[in-house]
Amino acid sequence: ETGVTQTPRHLVMGMTNKKSLKCEQHLGHNAMYWYKQSAKKPLELMFVYNFKEQTENNSVPSRFSPECPNSSHLFLHLHTLQPEDSALYLCASSQGPGIDISSGNTIYFGEGSWLTVV
Amino acid sequence: GIQVEQSPPDLILQEGANSTLRCNFSDSVNNLQWFHQNPWGQLINLFYIPSGTKQNGRLSATTVATERYSLLYISSSQTTDSGVYFCAVKSQGAQKLVFGQGTRLTINP
Repeated sequence: ETGVTQTPRHLVMGMTNKKSLKCEQHLGHNAMYWYKQSAKKPLELMFVYNFKEQTENNSVPSRFSPECPNSSHLFLHLHTLQPEDSALYLCASSQGPGIDISSGNTIYFGEGSWLTVV
Repeated sequence: GIQVEQSPPDLILQEGANSTLRCNFSDSVNNLQWFHQNPWGQLINLFYIPSGTKQNGRLSATTVATERYSLLYISSSQTTDSGVYFCAVKSQGAQKLVFGQGTRLTINP
């Protein structure tokens, strides 16, 4: 148990469906992240939120729409996805991005949501 | 941006063996973490170690920041140690952690 909870753990959706991934952290952190992990690729950072504000969007297609209603919750809304979007989507949290070494800015991951687009 | 290279890409060992995983990075860092991704996908934080040496049970890690590498040592391997080990770093002034490609460790009984 890392203090970061993701639901659902597994999701199969059609290309015309709309679904959402949910992430909740119980660590009192201010920053939350979405990462994508595809087969044989390193983890790709998708979005960063700091104090509910989006501070980074790594050229993610608009069919992925994040939402951060508060510092403890993060959603990833999915709409008209493609089969190549099938991947493991990982949520993470930390005290805050860009904090210096003295703060020990460790990042904690959720268990991930396995997404299959058919 | 900063480059992270992990070696070896794959490592297969018998239970009880010791192993050393390496992470090289191309720039000065103020954040370096080692993670273990289990077969179910979850990434578990092992060490926050931008410099120095830390130990936790059978695992230890050393980062030589001036020479831009970090090592993860696993002693007396167990089958539950199997999975992918990732190194992630953040350089001074950067906003995000950059992950290496990982080392896939398989421990056979």
